[in-house]
Order: sequence, then C-alpha cells, then structure tokens
Amino acid sequence: AQTVTQSQPEMSVQEAETVTLSCTYDTSESDYYLFWYKQPPSRQMILVIRQEAYKQQNATENRFSVNFQKAAKSFSLKISDSQLGDAAMYFCAYMEGIGGGADGLTFGKGTHLIIQP
Amino acid sequence: DSGVTQTPKHLITATGQRVTLRCSPRSGDLSVYWYQQSLDQGLQFLIQYYNGEERAKGNILERFSAQQFPDLHSELNLSSLELGDSALYFCASSVGPGVSNQPQHFGDGTRLSIL
Repeated sequence: AQTVTQSQPEMSVQEAETVTLSCTYDTSESDYYLFWYKQPPSRQMILVIRQEAYKQQNATENRFSVNFQKAAKSFSLKISDSQLGDAAMYFCAYMEGIGGGADGLTFGKGTHLIIQP
Repeated sequence: DSGVTQTPKHLITATGQRVTLRCSPRSGDLSVYWYQQSLDQGLQFLIQYYNGEERAKGNILERFSAQQFPDLHSELNLSSLELGDSALYFCASSVGPGVSNQPQHFGDGTRLSIL
C-alpha cells in the first residue's frame, strides 16, 4: 500500500520569509499524482498545488512551488513571501494514475505551519 | 466555494444510533469520495462512487455504507455509532477516473459528535 510521510509536525516562519515543507512517499507505481492541500482553522480542504509524476518540470502556483524528486520519492512544498493567511495545516497527498484502480487520496499526517508576524 | 455541498454541517447523536450524511458534488463531476478526519487516524479515504457505481473502498468499516443516486448526490450512512466515530467527514468530487490531472474538490465537511 502507498504511504505518505510528513516528518515535520510543526513549522514556524517569519512573515515574508520562505519555508519548505517536506513530504516523502512510498509507491511501486510509475504513474501517479501528488498534491498539497491546505486546511486553515475553518477546516476547509483547499487544493494548493498538484504534480503529475510523468512531468519532470516542477509545478508552481504563484508563491507556491514544489521540488519533485521522483527517484528519491520526495515532494516538498516551498512557500515564498509567507503571509499570515498561509497559516494552516498542510497535507501532502498521493493518488494513483489513470491505470490504477482506486482514486482515493492517501494523505500524510500533516504539517502545522505557523506564521510569525 | 468548492461547489461541493455537504449537509448537515454539524451532527450530535448518541452511541448506538444511525445517521446519514449527504453530499452534492460539483456540477459536472461524476465521482464522489468520502473521507474521515479524526485525531487518531488522520485523514482516511473511505469509499468512492463513480456515476452511481461503487468504484473503490478504503478503510471503511462494515457499519458504514454509502450510495450514489441517479442525480449524483451521495449519502454516507453510519450505524451502531461508537464514540470513536466522532470525526469530521468530508465529501469530495472530481470529474471521474480516467481523466488525467484531475484534482478532488472538497466540501466543508460534516462534524459528527457522538455523546
């Protein structure tokens, strides 16, 4: 079974600084997708960024970017120019590709990101 | 607003009871997913439906069941409730399997409290 590991239960960063959240995963599949979701105190689950395993280019969405290392099975999230609104739990998630059976997401335990003003 | 609607937002009930959680997917989405978020287990995938048919099962208990109706809304039924079933239950939807790079969009969740 696929597993997703987030080794940092909590991270803290100064406003306007850059922070990187770590995620590693374990799979025997070659076709899959990776996601970062944000869960603010309101408890909503908000998609931040996604990456297809077959793409070598790292995904970016405004201040959010990923460092995808397929061989190392690593998928870190970099948040640049951190803002107070970025404070939230961040979950890394894995999904099998088109040829897979289940489409359910496998989540890591999450990283609680604190933004210091 | 994700476009996924879950009702009710909060539910308080007692052990041994049965409840039904409802989800309406985004317009155009054929797949519905149910997840449970608890302090003990984190976020866990429970079950997936696609166009009315069960497609995949995750860590869903036998006391739990779900279905997707012809209008594509879905219901998650939880029976013989135990204290440990207290959790936030999310519904998510997507276009459907076989469509690449499709994200799942989550509803706001139903918070279930068992007293």
